Amino acid sequence: KAGVTQTPRYLIKTRGQQVTLSCSPISGHRSVSWYQQTPGQGLQFLFEYFSETQRNKGNFPGRFSGRQFSNSRSEMNVSTLELGDSALYLCASRREAGRAYNEQFFGPGTRLTVL
Amino acid sequence: GQSLEQPSEVTAVEGAIVQINCTYQTSGFYGLSWYQQHDGGAPTFLSYNALDGLEETGRFSSFLSRSDSYGYLLLQELQMKDSASYFCAVVPMNRDDKIIFGKGTRLHILP
Repeated sequence: KAGVTQTPRYLIKTRGQQVTLSCSPISGHRSVSWYQQTPGQGLQFLFEYFSETQRNKGNFPGRFSGRQFSNSRSEMNVSTLELGDSALYLCASRREAGRAYNEQFFGPGTRLTVL
Repeated sequence: GQSLEQPSEVTAVEGAIVQINCTYQTSGFYGLSWYQQHDGGAPTFLSYNALDGLEETGRFSSFLSRSDSYGYLLLQELQMKDSASYFCAVVPMNRDDKIIFGKGTRLHILP
């Protein structure tokens, strides 16, 4: 079974631009979460989608948005990029049945650099 | 609110045993999970405690005490490849709630 995939793996943008990142979850997983990871800050939760609906949202400005498609694939968008948005963006998927719903499977991440 | 506290760094010697602690403040949760992340890699699931006590998976064990709001990850027979960051995470009681991660503990292993 294929793992979580994220595209692109690396991205360089300049301040003020916008960016769209893509995530394909493991087949059969309906929940997709996005995290921002920066040195010393751990995994900062951005949002979670389930069945095309945003279920939870972290404490990030409205420049950060996302969506999920009917095939569970998800995208996140960051508009008006700032230098502080440089980070590793991780996507994770999980099943929703019983104990298994606690385990998240992470993709390799997209390394975003804002210049 | 919900928060998780972990030491930022821990150093141990190859072949030894190390314990990484996680204390939490949260109102009701289903269980405590642990993830490992190597430099440049993605976090990978290590273990999960739904009940108090010890869960063992090979060289790794995880412990939970709800009465003490405390858990730990125990790594035995340390190998150089265990050098990584380790995150604890709280699984909420409500499946509609998000998983909360600690800031991670960087484990340094000396030869």
